[in-house]
Amino acid sequence: EVQLVESGGGLVQPGGSLRLSCSASGFTYSRYVMYWVRQAPGKGLECVSAISIDGSSAWYADSVKGRFTISRDNSKNTLYLQVSSLRLDDAAVYFCVKSQGVTGSSDGYFDNWGQGTLVTVSS
Amino acid sequence: EIVLTQSPGTLSLSPGERTTLSCRASQSVSSGCLAWYQQKPGQAPRLLIYGTSSRATGIPDRFSGSGSGTDFTLTISRLESEDFAVYYCQQYDSSPRTFGQGTKVEIK
Repeated sequence: EVQLVESGGGLVQPGGSLRLSCSASGFTYSRYVMYWVRQAPGKGLECVSAISIDGSSAWYADSVKGRFTISRDNSKNTLYLQVSSLRLDDAAVYFCVKSQGVTGSSDGYFDNWGQGTLVTVSS
Repeated sequence: EIVLTQSPGTLSLSPGERTTLSCRASQSVSSGCLAWYQQKPGQAPRLLIYGTSSRATGIPDRFSGSGSGTDFTLTISRLESEDFAVYYCQQYDSSPRTFGQGTKVEIK
């Protein structure tokens, strides 16, 4: 059974930082592109970052570029998101998501989601 | 960036009814790279449909997807009590992956 367990969320002041982690199990973690998707309270879903299977390349939404850094440790089956210079509009539940590749691509639809970790930004 | 627009925003329905949710893309989603997710309050989204019409593992056959190009639909043939939730479409044809804003299916 695939399991994705996030941790590291919490209350932080504007301008502060956190490191989110996602522990993965039940699948060959090193073979899949991984994402962070966030959901602000009462709002929809937004992809914020993705990382290639070997960690050599990453993608960021414009809204977080330069402030967030995604990384992975395939030896520990763990995904990370370093979130810095936090703003009020970064407050959200952050989901760790496994991407299921489609033919000809290592990236595709989101077949497994963690339960999320809540980031609250407030002074 | 492909913008997905879902309609309607909210559906008020009774158990046993049939319903169709719409997802329209701002440009063609090639290769049918369109997925649907269900989200209940306090839970993570769950994959229902991928590749426009393929049901994910464990999804009952009352859920079906169809469409092509810029117009896609999710149909629930007979609403069960556990189907009242928010539904999101998502395209994975191009980067960035984008979601629609969601359709809430609520009990009438």
